Amino acid sequence: QVTLKESGPALVKPTQTLTLTCTFSGFSLSTSGMRVNWIRQPPGKALEWLARIDWDDDKFYSTSLKTRLTISKDTSKNQVVLTMANMDPVDTATYYCARMRSDTSGLFEYWGQGTLVTVSS
Amino acid sequence: VVTQEPSLTVSPGGTVTLTCGSSTGVVTSGQRPHWFQQKPGQAPVLVVYDSSDRPSEIPARVSGSNSGNVATLTINRVEAGDEADYYCQVWDIISGHPYVVFSGGTKLTVV
Repeated sequence: QVTLKESGPALVKPTQTLTLTCTFSGFSLSTSGMRVNWIRQPPGKALEWLARIDWDDDKFYSTSLKTRLTISKDTSKNQVVLTMANMDPVDTATYYCARMRSDTSGLFEYWGQGTLVTVSS
Repeated sequence: VVTQEPSLTVSPGGTVTLTCGSSTGVVTSGQRPHWFQQKPGQAPVLVVYDSSDRPSEIPARVSGSNSGNVATLTINRVEAGDEADYYCQVWDIISGHPYVVFSGGTKLTVV
């Protein structure tokens, strides 16, 4: 059974760096084809893809946010970490991690429950 | 940009069709959109993948298709529990970089 769970601070101040952790089970990120993504959703707004890390440590970022994002993995802990620098109130959102199916479909087949991050002074 | 109707209203027992298109008019050329249902306070739930396939837990009254240059999600015999936001999602790889696009979402109201 595949599960993912996000964790991190509920509140960050403007200009701070946000660090979120996705802890997963039911698969290994060292297995060929595995990919874990971060997606966010501001309150009342649409979903937005942020970043992806693959089993071979390839990393991809949203073009609009790439200068602020860093994604990494700890295979031994079954964790993926996302950092977002220079947080702003517009970054207030629920942040999800999701596993992408290991083919060319681009399908997010498993999602975490999400964690709400509020940016406020 | 992937477009959808911002909102739709349907009566219980009725049929509703949601569309997913692109500003270029050809979102589905070579792509297989996926559809997610999201209820308030919950994570998105996959209802249709690869344009028309359905997870085993999704009832057959929910279906997806491609029609010309627009992908559609059809819900037959609508129930109150179908009230939710629905998003379509496509992706592509351009010069080795993945591009993931979610639509703006359709708010489906059942009254």
